[in-house]
Parts: sequence; structure tokens; C-alpha cells
Amino acid sequence: QLQLQESGPGLVKPSETLSLTCTVSGGSISSSSYYYWGWIRQSPGKGLEWIGSIYYSGTTHYNPSLKSRVIISVDTSRDQCSLRLSSVTATDTAVYYCARHSALGNPLRDWGQGTLVTVSS
Amino acid sequence: EIVLTQSPGTLSLSPGERATLSCRASQSFSSSLLAWYQQKPGQAPRLLIYGASTRATGIPDRFSGSGSGTDFTLTISRLEPEDFAVYYCQQYGNSMYTFGQGTKLEIK
Repeated sequence: QLQLQESGPGLVKPSETLSLTCTVSGGSISSSSYYYWGWIRQSPGKGLEWIGSIYYSGTTHYNPSLKSRVIISVDTSRDQCSLRLSSVTATDTAVYYCARHSALGNPLRDWGQGTLVTVSS
Repeated sequence: EIVLTQSPGTLSLSPGERATLSCRASQSFSSSLLAWYQQKPGQAPRLLIYGASTRATGIPDRFSGSGSGTDFTLTISRLEPEDFAVYYCQQYGNSMYTFGQGTKLEIK
């Protein structure tokens, strides 16, 4: 059964870069052709917010409101998808989830358990 | 950006009752791009319904979805204790996913 697990620092200082990794098990990114790997965050103030998605081949799609600060990448050899969000502020404090979906527009079918990232000095 | 507005914010019902949750969009879009999720405390959202009316794998048939255009509904025919949670609608449009703010379904 496919499992997604987010990992990374739980505390990031303002103005620094948030970096998270999503590790896939029970399947692999390289064998999951035609799937996208997305990042979604959830904060009390803004609810659920899609950050962006990456196709297994590396093509990315980002939320326009975050596009200038976000980089999503995929490492098929490690079955990992990564998120980098630069110049963070307290408003970036949230639980960050990775999720899998087939094709843009298709539902977010498989989710990781999420990881809380707090932005604070 | 298509804005999704869910109502009510909180719905208080008893087990066995019928729940009707609404999701209204700021502009019309294809119903094939509308999904519903259930989220319990400390857990990730779980896909319930996609394409506005198709149940995801393993979802009981007491959950049903309907609607088109700008108005969509999630109905739970007879509430079970495990159904009390927060429900979110989600759509894809203008090259991005957006979510509603959620409806909390609580035990009366």
C-alpha cells in the first residue's frame, strides 16, 4: 500500500528557507508514471492551500500566490519529492502535506500524515 | 481564482440524522473537477467524493454528492458516530486547486 511521509525541520526562522521532503514507500515515484506529487498546507488562518504539484518527469505547477518563493523537485532514485519555500514569515506556519494525484484537476487521492512547521525566531 | 464558500460553518446533528453540506463557487466550473474530503483531528484529509458524485474507493454509500455549475452538495444519509468531522470541498480551475473553508459536523 502506498505511503507518503513528510519530514524536515519543525522550526524555521523568519526570512529563511523552509525545506521538506516527502518519501514514498509501498510504491515508487519512478514506477508511478502519469502521477503528480503535490504539496498542500493547512494553517488556522488560511485553511487548506495548494502549494504546487510536480509531474514524475519534473514538470511543475505552482499556486500563483506562492510561485515566486516555491520550488518543488522530484528525485526518482530516492522516491522523494521535495519542497523549498523561501523568505518565510509567520504566516507560513502550517501543517504541510504531500499528496499524490493523477493528472491536474484530478482529486488528491493519497496523502501523507503531514508535518507541522513553525516559523519563529 | 475560484472561491469556494461552504455552509453552514458548523452543523450540529445526532447520529442517525441526515446531514446536508453546501459548497458554492464564485464562478461556474465543470462538476468533474469538484471533490469532497473528510478530516478528523490530527489526520490528513481523506478523499470521499470526486467528480461531484463519485464515491472514492471504500467510502460507504451513505455518502453522496450532487450538484453542478456553482452549487454542490454533500449528503450523509444516516450519520454514524465516525462521521463527525470537518468536511472540505475542493475544485480545480484556472490552473490551481482551491478549497472551501470547511464545515464542522459536530454531535448534537
